[in-house]
Amino acid sequence: TQLLEQSPQFLSIQEGENLTVYCNSSSVFSSLQWYRQEPGEGPVLLVTVVTGGEVKKLKRLTFQFGDARKDSSLHITAAQPGDTGLYLCAGDREGGKLIFGQGTELSVKP
Amino acid sequence: SQTIHQWPATLVQPVGSPLSLECTVEGTSNPNLYWYRQAAGRGLQLLFYSVGIGQISSEVPQNLSASRPQDRQFILSSKKLLLSDSGFYLCAWSGNYEQYFGPGTRLTVT
Repeated sequence: TQLLEQSPQFLSIQEGENLTVYCNSSSVFSSLQWYRQEPGEGPVLLVTVVTGGEVKKLKRLTFQFGDARKDSSLHITAAQPGDTGLYLCAGDREGGKLIFGQGTELSVKP
Repeated sequence: SQTIHQWPATLVQPVGSPLSLECTVEGTSNPNLYWYRQAAGRGLQLLFYSVGIGQISSEVPQNLSASRPQDRQFILSSKKLLLSDSGFYLCAWSGNYEQYFGPGTRLTVT
């Protein structure tokens, strides 16, 4: 059974601090997506990584796909209150289905 | 551009009552469609997915069913709701690797 483990589950930091969220699996994924979700809304896609070792940047967010395509990380530089939300990683399974991690709930305090 | 709609946004139903949640997609044809349930703002559990009209696959045995009467319409139903059916229900459609989510329906079974 494919599993994706996210850590940490909860993170509360001050504005301006840096943070990293990890997504790990023993399985290889063809691609991995990161989503951000605000309370009461659907998840919004942030990025897709496909190639082992790939690094993508989205303003202050840096996403990395592990060389073996089993793990990924999300690094946020100088976090802001607007970054608050639930961050979800998801890896693809056969048939276009995704397997989701349990999420990291981030709170950035001003 | 593609958009995805869900309704109702919120629903409070008594135990034993029927359920019908609707999802429609615009701006794409023959999409793969998915129903997820999210408990307590955490990871997403895939309930059903569909690759075409009338084609439904169930991921977990449960009190719910799904139907796809039209190409861009996906319906989640139950004949008799249980307390454990409470949660946040999300519909999604998929592109190449990614999935795009609707705004969700908050269901409370009382």
